[in-house]
Amino acid sequence: DQQVKQNSPSLSVQEGRISILNCDYTNSMFDYFLWYKKYPAEGPTFLISISSIKDKNEDGRFTVFLNKSAKHLSLHIVPSQPGDSAVYFCAASENYGQNFVFGPGTRLSVLP
Amino acid sequence: DTAVSQTPKYLVTQMGNDKSIKCEQNLGHDTMYWYKQDSKKFLKIMFSYNNKELIINETVPNRFSPKSPDKAHLNLHINSLELGDSAVYFCASSRGRAEAFFGQGTRLTVV
Repeated sequence: DQQVKQNSPSLSVQEGRISILNCDYTNSMFDYFLWYKKYPAEGPTFLISISSIKDKNEDGRFTVFLNKSAKHLSLHIVPSQPGDSAVYFCAASENYGQNFVFGPGTRLSVLP
Repeated sequence: DTAVSQTPKYLVTQMGNDKSIKCEQNLGHDTMYWYKQDSKKFLKIMFSYNNKELIINETVPNRFSPKSPDKAHLNLHINSLELGDSAVYFCASSRGRAEAFFGQGTRLTVV
């Protein structure tokens, strides 16, 4: 019973192009969302967050979009760089709480 | 200076043994967590402590017991290890409800 889904296990993008990573959730009570990046043999690193009162949040090359009616969020990376190659996890919580539910991750490969 | 450090990084042990994983954070955070990443790569929260008080205790076997001697430490003790306990365990910390900072993980292999 996955409450947070990342249906693309992997994604390959050319350097300089846009990477779009998608995340869907089933629990309409989720109101706070995070994206993490993870390199091999390291712990996840926080990238960007968005709360349900917003539909967009931007931080440098990273932008997260939230569509509450579709229960969908996406992470856009522009321009993509080889160093962005990693596994990206989407996570969500209720009541801006600390009990985050993680998706299974999407492995992004940025090709030079 | 590592912000969230956990030891050991790798742990191989036999079924039935008791083992501990230690975690320390030097970020001054008030909340610490243990997550388990299973073979399917799902990260699932196990426990959360706020100011040394247990606030989240997901459905994990009671063979798993967290211990927080102070706000900067949250150790995980596992008794009577089973094959299914093999996974990567991540410690993390946060300031209240803010995003969590993760340690590098401990890969536990039970043989």
